[in-house]
Amino acid sequence: DTAVSQTPKYLVTQMGNDKSIKCEQNLGHDTMYWYKQDSKKFLKIMFSYNNKELIINETVPNRFSPKSPDKAHLNLHINSLELGDSAVYFCASSQDRDGYTFGSGTRLTVV
Amino acid sequence: GQSLEQPSEVTAVEGAIVQINCTYQTSGFYGLSWYQQHDGGAPTFLSYNALDGLEETGRFSSFLSRSDSYGYLLLQELQMKDSASYFCAVRDPSRQLTFGSGTQLTVLP
Repeated sequence: DTAVSQTPKYLVTQMGNDKSIKCEQNLGHDTMYWYKQDSKKFLKIMFSYNNKELIINETVPNRFSPKSPDKAHLNLHINSLELGDSAVYFCASSQDRDGYTFGSGTRLTVV
Repeated sequence: GQSLEQPSEVTAVEGAIVQINCTYQTSGFYGLSWYQQHDGGAPTFLSYNALDGLEETGRFSSFLSRSDSYGYLLLQELQMKDSASYFCAVRDPSRQLTFGSGTQLTVLP
């Protein structure tokens, strides 16, 4: 069983569209995250969420919104996609002081 | 905020030892982590130091000096499969990780 799974693995879409990336973890972790990795491999935190608190990185445009239907899921919705949104998006989860477990990533290409 | 510095590239030969340094500036520090990422893959957790000193896990060791805001990852008996990007990351009080820009390690035969 995959610990952190995200779908789709690849997403190609046109500018202006709205898209979602799904993430599920079966580790029982209490906190989930979304990271964006750009073409220079820089990993940047976008959101972290547990059942008590959503922390949003202040540099993330409000076109991006996380939605968590339950503790095991944290989906990423993106409205009005722009060329600069092209990147690899990673979902991750953690518990207490444990290391993060990352999903396999979603490569988003906006054309 | 948090900022981390690590070398962009390191090259070494199989069987050698390599050290990847990381210095950081933080507004809140709960520990230093290291992650490995192969091309096209996901970052995978290697180690975590919350206290000063050396942590050893097989061929990999990680060191932290909080007074110097400095840590390093030591890879011994390098193998070709160790060629990857290595990221140091600082954990803040909210448990979020801020990552360095990564060090591309190339292991030559």
